Amino acid sequence: EVQLVESGGVVVQPGGSLRLSCAASGFIFDDNAMYWVRQVPGKGLEWVALISWDGMTTYYAESVKGRFTISRDNSKNSLYLQMSSLRIEDTALYYCAKGGYSYGLVDYWGQGTLVTVSS
Amino acid sequence: DIQMTQSPSTLSASVGDRVSITCRASQSISSWLAWYQQKPGKAPKLLIYKASSLESGVPSKFSGSGSGTEFTLTISSLQPDDFATYYCQQYSNYPYTFGQGTKLEIK
Repeated sequence: EVQLVESGGVVVQPGGSLRLSCAASGFIFDDNAMYWVRQVPGKGLEWVALISWDGMTTYYAESVKGRFTISRDNSKNSLYLQMSSLRIEDTALYYCAKGGYSYGLVDYWGQGTLVTVSS
Repeated sequence: DIQMTQSPSTLSASVGDRVSITCRASQSISSWLAWYQQKPGKAPKLLIYKASSLESGVPSKFSGSGSGTEFTLTISSLQPDDFATYYCQQYSNYPYTFGQGTKLEIK
């Protein structure tokens, strides 16, 4: 069974930094691209970042480019999102997501970790 | 960026009804479209990929159609468990974008 368990979400002040982690199990981690997708509570979904299976290719939404860094450790079956220069508008539930049959397709989602940016 | 627009934003229907949700892309995405279902407090769940392919384990009451810029998700014989929010997502071009969602409510 595919499991994705996010952690690291907390309350942080504007301008602060945070690292989210995602522990993956139940599938061959280094066979798949991985994603972070976020959702403001009660609102829609916003794709944040993508990393290829080998970590060599990354893409970011314009809204986070230059501030967030996605990375992975295939030896630990783990995905990360380093977040810096946080803004109030970064407040959201952050989902770790597994890549599916095609680049950009998500076939499994974690339950999310809540990041709140507030003074 | 490719804009994805869903209609309607809210849909009221009764148990047993058949409903359709439309998703339009601002430019052609071929068939690179997925549909997800999200229930309150839960993560999204993949229903349909490549516009019309049913994800493993998803009931055949869900079906998808379309190509290019216009797509449809159809749900037949609505049951209480189907009342949720549905999102389309294009994965033709980076950045991959979602529609704003369609909330399916019980009438």
